[in-house]
Amino acid sequence: ETGVTQSPTHLIKTRGQQVTLRCSSQSGHNTVSWYQQALGQGPQFIFQYYREEENGRGNFPPRFSGLQFPNYSSELNVNALELDDSALYLCASSLISGGADTQYFGPGTRLTVL
Amino acid sequence: GESVGLHLPTLSVQEGDNSIINCAYSNSASDYFIWYKQESGKGPQFIIDIRSNMDKRQGQRVTVLLSKTVKHLSLQIAATQPGDSAVYFCAEINGGSQGNLIFGKGTKLSVKP
Repeated sequence: ETGVTQSPTHLIKTRGQQVTLRCSSQSGHNTVSWYQQALGQGPQFIFQYYREEENGRGNFPPRFSGLQFPNYSSELNVNALELDDSALYLCASSLISGGADTQYFGPGTRLTVL
Repeated sequence: GESVGLHLPTLSVQEGDNSIINCAYSNSASDYFIWYKQESGKGPQFIIDIRSNMDKRQGQRVTVLLSKTVKHLSLQIAATQPGDSAVYFCAEINGGSQGNLIFGKGTKLSVKP
């Protein structure tokens, strides 16, 4: 086990709704990255947070937003949900931001948009 | 552009045999590579990593080989066991980037008893 936890495990929403996913990083890690993994694909980078600020973003629209808290836990918010947002959402924590450091993943949140 | 690809989408091996999973990358600036194992319904699990100044690294039953001249990465699993059945991803980090991982599609390893 990595020590990275995510909640909830599963979630079902309808199109147009908003969702908040949560992640607690591994003890001692100050950086959290979020990824979206569609079925049968590799994870795609959404964004990264370091010391409570966004530190990089992938090719995702602004309706994907996030927060990092002083204890380094993080939230991913998605507004105006679309059917294609159905995926496994993974967070990963690491110690070093902007550098080559191992990222440890949580178990993910399975989001289904109907 | 940046990309990480895998040569084979599926690999089936006999229990006890050695497995080799391959990965090609196109970004010569990538300086750090990680292999992850993902079991059904779980998040990716770190297996082994290698930095660009190395060409080989060994772990417990696993070895990663890196060839920068042909931009190729491989994961070797010795004495493959049923518990090794999973999807394996290689991922790269581009030096100078914000440190996000770039994943390929993955190789599904099936171990036959």
